[in-house]
Amino acid sequence: GAGVSQTPSNKVTEKGKYVELRCDPISGHTALYWYRQSLGQGPEFLIYFQGTGAADDSGLPNDRFFAVRPEGSVSTLKIQRTERGDSAVYLCASSLTIGLATGNEQFFGPGTRLTVL
Amino acid sequence: AQSVTQLDSQVPVFEEAPVELRCNYSSSVSVYLFWYVQYPNQGLQLLLKYLSGSTLVESINGFEAEFNKSQTSFHLRKPSVHISDTAEYFCAQSGVEGNAGNMLTFGGGTRLMVKP
Repeated sequence: GAGVSQTPSNKVTEKGKYVELRCDPISGHTALYWYRQSLGQGPEFLIYFQGTGAADDSGLPNDRFFAVRPEGSVSTLKIQRTERGDSAVYLCASSLTIGLATGNEQFFGPGTRLTVL
Repeated sequence: AQSVTQLDSQVPVFEEAPVELRCNYSSSVSVYLFWYVQYPNQGLQLLLKYLSGSTLVESINGFEAEFNKSQTSFHLRKPSVHISDTAEYFCAQSGVEGNAGNMLTFGGGTRLMVKP
């Protein structure tokens, strides 16, 4: 595809449920990032992958959050026992490789808006 | 820890007027600086970035930003705005090495509202 895609675009769930959010990066991009954007705030880093491995997951808020990228392409962000405070837009980005130096830009998807009732 | 402060949450301005969106970063080490734009119902797009070299960087649509190390600022300016510039603008920074060089730290955003 031409850009980063994320599904679903909107997800409404009930408190305590489990959700999965999917990200399809740009073809050939080895680095993949997840950010969370709460209402009225800027995006906050959650985790990034280089290939299949999570290189840095220091931004995950707690152990209810987990992300995988088993084949080094598509990634899934998993949230267990959702809470109302998890409501936010979850953004995915990809880049050709890690690092933000010349020629290596993070391209963002449109996001998944998660609402926990 | 890195942090980015955008001093104005909203900036209303009339069409063809100049605008400045303010951004201050906090880091005692070398940084890369970015401005992203988010148009209504669209994803974040990179507007411009400072990596090294000239402290004044420009975008293709007339925006410019100046890296000022002594004031730890990276303000975004445009001499004459258009209705189509109405959007949310995010300032961001990253480190230049290691894990800090791979993640973006964003400010809270500034909503630019251009009025006819």
